[in-house]
Amino acid sequence: GAGVSQTPSNKVTEKGKYVELRCDPISGHTALYWYRQSLGQGPEFLIYFQGTGAADDSGLPNDRFFAVRPEGSVSTLKIQRTERGDSAVYLCASSTGTGKKETQYFGPGTRLLVL
Amino acid sequence: KQEVTQIPAALSVPEGENLVLNCSFTDSAIYNLQWFRQDPGKGLTSLLLIQSSQREQTSGRLNASLDKSSGRSTLYIAASQPGDSATYLCAVMEYGNKLVFGAGTILRVKS
Repeated sequence: GAGVSQTPSNKVTEKGKYVELRCDPISGHTALYWYRQSLGQGPEFLIYFQGTGAADDSGLPNDRFFAVRPEGSVSTLKIQRTERGDSAVYLCASSTGTGKKETQYFGPGTRLLVL
Repeated sequence: KQEVTQIPAALSVPEGENLVLNCSFTDSAIYNLQWFRQDPGKGLTSLLLIQSSQREQTSGRLNASLDKSSGRSTLYIAASQPGDSATYLCAVMEYGNKLVFGAGTILRVKS
């Protein structure tokens, strides 16, 4: 596609439920990133994929959060036993993966609300 | 741990004014610095990217400078327009390709 797409755009769930958030990167981009943005704050890094593998998952807050990218394209962020504090906008970005000079292109985000 | 601070948190100016947004970071070991624009309910749009070896970048009415040694960057917007109203985010890229963001400056340009 022309840009990074994320689905769903909005997700409302109840505390304790499991959710999956999907990201479709720009075609051909080997690097994919997940960030989380709380109200009034800048995005915070969660995880970075280079191809199929997680190159850096140091930003995942705890073991309830997990992300996969099995074929090196689409990625899914999975949150188990959701808590109210998980409510935020989850942003996905992709880049060509060729080096440090590249721009990350962001999707519109998924707005998650945990009741 | 890298910390990025943006000043001011919010800014309201009349149309046509030139304005400066400020960004500071605590660790100068960065690969690059980027300025993004975020509109309500939307993702981030990259405005300017300055490599660590560069001093400034320009695009249209926007000019961004970088002083890596002092940990500062400024975004200059010339002849502001109502369409410039948005949140402006500064981010530094660290080892591992991750971006560390400031909290942003909310800009409102009044017509």
